[in-house]
Amino acid sequence: DAGVTQSPTHLIKTRGQHVTLRCSPISGHKSVSWYQQVLGQGPQFIFQYYEKEERGRGNFPDRFSARQFPNYSSELNVNALLLGDSALYLCASSPRATNEKLFFGSGTQLSVL
Amino acid sequence: AQKVTQAQTEISVVEKEDVTLDCVYETRDTTYYLFWYKQPPSGELVFLIRRNSFDEQNEISGRYSWNFQKSTSSFNFTITASQVVDSAVYFCALSEAYNSGNTPLVFGKGTRLSVIA
Repeated sequence: DAGVTQSPTHLIKTRGQHVTLRCSPISGHKSVSWYQQVLGQGPQFIFQYYEKEERGRGNFPDRFSARQFPNYSSELNVNALLLGDSALYLCASSPRATNEKLFFGSGTQLSVL
Repeated sequence: AQKVTQAQTEISVVEKEDVTLDCVYETRDTTYYLFWYKQPPSGELVFLIRRNSFDEQNEISGRYSWNFQKSTSSFNFTITASQVVDSAVYFCALSEAYNSGNTPLVFGKGTRLSVIA
């Protein structure tokens, strides 16, 4: 079975632009979480979606938004990009809404110039 | 508030040496979960273990072992007879339980382990 897949793997944007990151969970997994990992730091929680509804939101500005589709895939959108948004964005899926065991993708490396 | 501290930023060992990665956590809850994840250069986080706060038994899985001590709020990870393939960044994480599940994971800053042949 395929693991969590994320696209694109790398992305370069300029300040003020908008970006959309995509995630496909493991088949059968209904929960998707997004984490931001700045270089040299641990991942930081952004959003969790379960059954297409937002279940949790981390301490991120409103420029960050997400949604989950009927097939449980998810998109993370970031508007008005800032240099500080440069990071590895990780998607994780799990069968249920609980965070018992998360399966992570390889991430999207976003560079904002 | 939840907090995870991994004081060791980088560790370098020679192959076949044993190495312990430290993790200290803070939480006000009595029910919580502790995790270890491995992040190889490819970027994805690989789940290693989850322990709940009521189970203080040490666990061994092959060359990996974990020592959970509530008295010192620590959940340390030991790799015995390290191998080059163990080189990665290792993260400790904490999640608190509530009625319908548990909170998102709070990660430490990670420890970069380099195993030299």
